[in-house]
Amino acid sequence: AQSVTQPDIHITVSEGASLELRCNYSYGATPYLFWYVQSPGQGLQLLLKYFSGDTLVQGIKGFEAEFKRSQSSFNLRKPSVHWSDAAEYFCAVGAARSGGYNKLIFGAGTRLAVHP
Amino acid sequence: GAVVSQHPSRVICKSGTSVKIECRSLDFQATTMFWYRQFPKKSLMLMATSNEGSKATYEQGVEKDKFLINHASLTLSTLTVTSAHPEDSSFYICSARGTGPRETQYFGPGTRLLVL
Repeated sequence: AQSVTQPDIHITVSEGASLELRCNYSYGATPYLFWYVQSPGQGLQLLLKYFSGDTLVQGIKGFEAEFKRSQSSFNLRKPSVHWSDAAEYFCAVGAARSGGYNKLIFGAGTRLAVHP
Repeated sequence: GAVVSQHPSRVICKSGTSVKIECRSLDFQATTMFWYRQFPKKSLMLMATSNEGSKATYEQGVEKDKFLINHASLTLSTLTVTSAHPEDSSFYICSARGTGPRETQYFGPGTRLLVL
């Protein structure tokens, strides 16, 4: 069965520092991978997604993620964190269906705090 | 990105009553909508998948008679929590996607339900 693991429940970084949020998945075939961000009072917003092709994916707000099949990982990175990046981050894998994916399976989330 | 709305944003009800939550795709046609439940400091748990004009598919362990889902049009899905009990108190989130198998899921802002 598909599953997603986000090992870090809570991460604190200083503003301006680099950031890496870890995500490992368990899936038999080529996965459809996503990173979403959830801010208080707002819905989940898609940061980026990987379906195929270039394993380094660029997203919104300066985020990027790298798909590493050998490590079953899809870690999210940002070179310089802003205070507004403080939020909950979710990694998800899409269960495959014909030609694409169906439902999403989410990791437990990583809460990011940013110190000034 | 596309916009998904939910109404109400929060609701308080008495134990034994029923509550209806609406999920609307505002600027696209959603052939598939998903309903999630999120517990405090926890991840999103998929409750059911609904396709327009079809019966919803419920995840294992979700009571279909308690959580009634209707997807009568391409822009509206409703979740009705019947005979609500305090343990049904939670944050309910819907998402919607278009027709293609690789379409992005767009999430609503969520509905906070408190059953007294």
